Amino acid sequence: QQQVKQSPQSLIVQKGGISIINCAYENTAFDYFPWYQQFPGKGPALLIAIRPDVSEKKEGRFTISFNKSAKQFSLHIMDSQPGDSATYFCAASFFTGNQFYFGTGTSLTVIP
Amino acid sequence: DGGITQSPKYLFRKEGQNVTLSCEQNLNHDAMYWYRQDPGQGLRLIYYSQIVNDFQKGDIAEGYSVSREKKESFPLTVTSAQKNPTAFYLCASRLTVGYTEAFFGQGTRLTVV
Repeated sequence: QQQVKQSPQSLIVQKGGISIINCAYENTAFDYFPWYQQFPGKGPALLIAIRPDVSEKKEGRFTISFNKSAKQFSLHIMDSQPGDSATYFCAASFFTGNQFYFGTGTSLTVIP
Repeated sequence: DGGITQSPKYLFRKEGQNVTLSCEQNLNHDAMYWYRQDPGQGLRLIYYSQIVNDFQKGDIAEGYSVSREKKESFPLTVTSAQKNPTAFYLCASRLTVGYTEAFFGQGTRLTVV
């Protein structure tokens, strides 16, 4: 059973546009929700993370929106740039958890 | 610099041979993980370890084996029993408690011919 479901699988956005990636989770006990960014041939790196006690977190052009009642969270990339072209993974884990549960990834392409 | 190192970056092996992928970290993290990445399937957990000399199977452990003799090291062996071993393998580590991120290595691309 997929613990974290991610959509869309791929996304093409014009430079300057807004990229939106959505994730839904099953286990209400999850309490840490990071987003990872991965460039081709590289390992993923943490982009931004949120805990369920807040509904939104913003870091520069990247914002996580969190809806606890709907068990959904999303990543918004404002003013998308070609350098943002990468694969993005959402994930969920527990405070004392031993693993992350990853979504299946979204391949983002930002065209000039 | 603290980090997690995987080697080699590329690995080619003949079908039927066992191969071991290296993962070393100097972050003093207790937990270490191995993931397999295939196109369109995200990151699938193979094995993880929270302390030395202890490890647990993940979702796709069949055909793989690991050891954790030192805190810093968590090698993965891809055995001949793994039906489709060609993939990108990622090692990660994190603290076992707290709202902490997982740090990933740069990956090893294994090709079995």
